[in-house]
Amino acid sequence: AQKITQTQPGMFVQEKEAVTLDCTYDTSDPSYGLFWYKQPSSGEMIFLIYQGSYDQQNATEGRYSLNFQKARKSANLVISASQLGDSAMYFCAMREPDYGGSQGNLIFGKGTKLSVKP
Amino acid sequence: DAGVTQSPTHLIKTRGQQVTLRCSPKSGHDTVSWYQQALGQGPQFIFQYYEEEERQRGNFPDRFSGHQFPNYSSELNVNALLLGDSALYLCASSFEGTNEKLFFGSGTQLSVL
Repeated sequence: AQKITQTQPGMFVQEKEAVTLDCTYDTSDPSYGLFWYKQPSSGEMIFLIYQGSYDQQNATEGRYSLNFQKARKSANLVISASQLGDSAMYFCAMREPDYGGSQGNLIFGKGTKLSVKP
Repeated sequence: DAGVTQSPTHLIKTRGQQVTLRCSPKSGHDTVSWYQQALGQGPQFIFQYYEEEERQRGNFPDRFSGHQFPNYSSELNVNALLLGDSALYLCASSFEGTNEKLFFGSGTQLSVL
């Protein structure tokens, strides 16, 4: 079974509008971390946002917010006020367990290609 | 403050050859992980090095090996290259014991002909 599922291979959004990228995960470990990375055509994975399984509030980083619904095992990324530079691949990833010293490696989904239209 | 640097950026090899990829972690980081990203896929974990030893390993054959040096830099070696080894190889670094994000390099694009 896939640990990380991203069901949207590609998405289009109009510049200045908000967009939601979906991510569901599967784990039985109570300690896990959820990450979103952006990968432009240059190849580098750019960290966007992190949510720990014990965090009470949804994470936010500037224009990025993570809609964390623990019971549904979903961790959707919301990008507000889209910009042309947001066009890239977006990957959801999970780390289990999440705590230091015995951190697991990152397990990535297959990604969503976001295209921002002017 | 330099981030994660990888070399070379591109590499072309033929089947059966051996290749070595290099990675320098972000300043202050002591743990290096390697990922393979095939075209159209998400990165897959190969292995992680800490204190010059392989600490975790993903589902990759023994043809994939690595090394970490005292200055925390790392190498990924792949022997007996197959066409299916063509991929972007990403290096990521972190600081042991912290709950922080991984910092990634821009990768080495390996083409096996």
